[in-house]
Amino acid sequence: RKEVEQDPGPFNVPEGATVAFNCTYSNSASQSFFWYRQDCRKEPKLLMSVYSSGNEDGRFTAQLNRASQYISLLIRDSKLSDSATYLCVVTPRNNNDMRFGAGTRLTVKP
Amino acid sequence: DTGVSQDPRHKITKRGQNVTFRCDPISEHNRLYWYRQTLGQGPEFLTYFQNEAQLEKSRLLSDRFSAERPKGSFSTLEIQRTEQGDSAMYLCASSPNREGAFFGQGTRLTVV
Repeated sequence: RKEVEQDPGPFNVPEGATVAFNCTYSNSASQSFFWYRQDCRKEPKLLMSVYSSGNEDGRFTAQLNRASQYISLLIRDSKLSDSATYLCVVTPRNNNDMRFGAGTRLTVKP
Repeated sequence: DTGVSQDPRHKITKRGQNVTFRCDPISEHNRLYWYRQTLGQGPEFLTYFQNEAQLEKSRLLSDRFSAERPKGSFSTLEIQRTEQGDSAMYLCASSPNREGAFFGQGTRLTVV
């Protein structure tokens, strides 16, 4: 089993749709969680951290479920510019390397 | 530009040659990471520095790979006796804490 698993997609949605991605992780001792966004042939960029209490940034909402060992990302009112690959990242406790999932590809269509 | 800077952006080398990449992190970021990414995959962890100390190194990293951060600022990643399987994007990231990291644009290596 991979340490961090994501549905690779692709997710093809119309503008204005709501879309959700899940990510599961295998290490129950994981401490920090993030979502990154990566555009084609570009570097990953930090989208948001994921806290136990959940957090929201505009149209984006991230949630963590420690009991089931998954994190989620919800995008509301999707825009064409949201088209990208979304990477789930987990940092194990007492460790420093960020473990990336393979990413979920999203395409928002007009 | 105060972001993470990597040099070169592209490198084509013949199999068996040695290559060295440089990363300049964001000023005052004490954490520095190297990752490798191939098409369709997420970044794969290679090594981590806190200041000048290399604290972690992936078990996947062969002895042909070495990294340094001599003064706790810039870092270099060297690959000796390159193989075709080393072809990938090599990404450097820096962070001031555990709250996520910022990536450079990467060095794309092609081994022919």
